[in-house]
Amino acid sequence: NAGVTQTPKFQVLKTGQSMTLQCAQDMNHEYMSWYRQDPGMGLRLIHYSVGAGITDQGEVPNGYNVSRSTTEDFPLRLLSAAPSQTSVYFCASSSTGDNSPLHFGNGTRLTVT
Amino acid sequence: AQSVTQLGSHVSVSEGALVLLRCNYSSSVPPYLFWYVQYPNQGLQLLLKYTTGATLVKGINGFEAEFKKSETSFHLTKPSAHMSDAAEYFCAVSDRRAGGTSYGKLTFGQGTILTVHP
Repeated sequence: NAGVTQTPKFQVLKTGQSMTLQCAQDMNHEYMSWYRQDPGMGLRLIHYSVGAGITDQGEVPNGYNVSRSTTEDFPLRLLSAAPSQTSVYFCASSSTGDNSPLHFGNGTRLTVT
Repeated sequence: AQSVTQLGSHVSVSEGALVLLRCNYSSSVPPYLFWYVQYPNQGLQLLLKYTTGATLVKGINGFEAEFKKSETSFHLTKPSAHMSDAAEYFCAVSDRRAGGTSYGKLTFGQGTILTVHP
């Protein structure tokens, strides 16, 4: 029972490099989302998806792209990394229904130098 | 728009003492509220949630929270702290809208780091 799986766990990038953070869930959840966690700021929503082929922006979308070709996968792309994107990134999924809790992956710690 | 404020970024208690972590929210619709716990180098784990019905909600690991509409609060408590409770705790509110759905989105508070001393 894997739940939400994120890879890699750690990544160091140089300014201007690109990369993709992977996220997969095996719970057949329709909703998936990406958050970033910064000290003293809680978690802030980057992008979210309500189903395959449907994505939308969250609170802090600039510098990030997403796509959702399958129910299971929701990758997050950094097109040109900046030091301000140094953070811990969490992927989450949930079933439909406003009272459904989010299930989180273990996070990716990204450092941009 | 929904918002969440957690009073106190750090709380320190002795083992066996009462744990009280404060959370106040703002919501334009009846709120769905959640508490999550994050242990070092791990993801967030659901402690408990309030949606409708009983205002005192019991969660895992002996934690509970009381929804008080008049105070717009959802404080988390545990009668007796254990060393294993040391973690960061997040309060969150569902991003529901009048006549709409949250699409699984939550607004989180800033987090409270709980330290438990022997």
